[in-house]
Amino acid sequence: GAVVSQHPSRVICKSGTSVKIECRSLDFQATTMFWYRQFPKKSLMLMATSNEGSKATYEQGVEKDKFLINHASLTLSTLTVTSAHPEDSSFYICSARVAGAAETQYFGPGTRLLVL
Amino acid sequence: DQQVKQNSPSLSVQEGRISILNCDYTNSMFDYFLWYKKYPAEGPTFLISISSIKDKNEDGRFTVFLNKSAKHLSLHIVPSQPGDSAVYFCAASAGGFQKLVFGTGTRLLVSP
Repeated sequence: GAVVSQHPSRVICKSGTSVKIECRSLDFQATTMFWYRQFPKKSLMLMATSNEGSKATYEQGVEKDKFLINHASLTLSTLTVTSAHPEDSSFYICSARVAGAAETQYFGPGTRLLVL
Repeated sequence: DQQVKQNSPSLSVQEGRISILNCDYTNSMFDYFLWYKKYPAEGPTFLISISSIKDKNEDGRFTVFLNKSAKHLSLHIVPSQPGDSAVYFCAASAGGFQKLVFGTGTRLLVSP
């Protein structure tokens, strides 16, 4: 149980385009999902907390107009990287917390984004 | 300000021996701690957690110890297996349903 999927697993795009990454909880409902970014050989950096039916809460230093987050249902959150630049190239990982349960987060497999 | 620290970037252990991964934290408000295992280009996999009301939690080969006075926790893996080779992250949260703060990770290598 507690399986989280992400799509796509890898994406290459040109500078200036937008990329959408989907995060789905497959066998549970998640009122809260989280989006992380990991740089090579670094820890996971929380970008934002996504709550179903409300606006996302962004961490300090994360541009909300650049990283658009939508949590339209209890099983789906999306991250859209708008007007992508090469410095946005990174490994993006989402996680989900089981509704009403403790603080354990279950992570998706991640999405590798390369902006040319 | 790194609130969760894993001071050992790497650890090498022989198969069958015990692996001990350490984690220190500074925020006394943290009350829930987790360990995740991560392979390259994959998302972290949840291993084990512990609440601050406990000082030990065991699940199979994995045991987590919490020393609140020292603000220190450790993950013991025994016996270690080559398949345990990965990067291990500890994480902490405060006050329930809050975001996780991750350490920088320790790369474990278990050799046959």
